[in-house]
Amino acid sequence: QKEVEQDPGPLSVPEGAIVSLNCTYSNSAFQYFMWYRQYSRKGPELLMYTYSSGNKEDGRFTAQVDKSSKYISLFIRDSQPSDSATYLCAMSEGNDYKLSFGAGTTVTVRA
Amino acid sequence: EAQVTQNPRYLITVTGKKLTVTCSQNMNHEYMSWYRQDPGLGLRQIYYSMNVEVTDKGDVPEGYKVSRKEKRNFPLILESPSPNQTSLYFCASTGATGELFFGEGSRLTVL
Repeated sequence: QKEVEQDPGPLSVPEGAIVSLNCTYSNSAFQYFMWYRQYSRKGPELLMYTYSSGNKEDGRFTAQVDKSSKYISLFIRDSQPSDSATYLCAMSEGNDYKLSFGAGTTVTVRA
Repeated sequence: EAQVTQNPRYLITVTGKKLTVTCSQNMNHEYMSWYRQDPGLGLRQIYYSMNVEVTDKGDVPEGYKVSRKEKRNFPLILESPSPNQTSLYFCASTGATGELFFGEGSRLTVL
C-alpha cells in the first residue's frame, strides 16, 4: 500500500464548476500538508500549505485537512481554463525536509 | 529571479552511455534533492543533499549517483543508464519553510 493515495482522475469539468481533489494517507506522523500544481512541461509549484486540521482559504482555493480520518482535500471554486493542470498532494512529518507525494490528478477545465 | 535550472531539458541516449544532468539553484538553499516522475507513481525521491559534501539515498537510488561540491550545484549522474531509467527528472531545492522549488524537468529516454 502506498503511503499517500490520490484519486487518479483525470477530471474534466466545465468552466465555473467546483473542482474537488482528494488524498488519503496512512502515516499518522504526517504533520504538514501541501498541494502542488504542475502545468504541462513545467515543474510543480507550491499552491497551498497547511499544518493543522481544518480549512485554509486562498482566493478560489480551499485546502481541507482531517487528521483523524487521514484525509486531505483541495477545492477550486469558479474554475477557469487556466486551472487546467496536474495537482499533486504532498505531506511530511516535519522533522526533515522529506516529502511524500501522491501520484497526481490531471484536471481539465473546459471553456 | 529565484530559480532552479537543470540541463539538458530533453535527452535521448543509449544503454550504458554515461550521462550527467546538471542542476543549479540561486537561492542559497542548503537542502537539494532529485526526483523522478513516472505515470501512476508520482514523484519519487532519488537522492538528497542536506549541505555541501552531505548526500544520502532517497527512495529509489539504484543506478544513480550524485555529488555536492558546491552549495548551488547538485548534478545527477547515471553511470550506465538502462531503459528502466527512462523518466522525467526534477531537481528541487528546499526553502526554510519546507517549500520545494522545482526545476523545469529533464525528460530522459534510454534506448
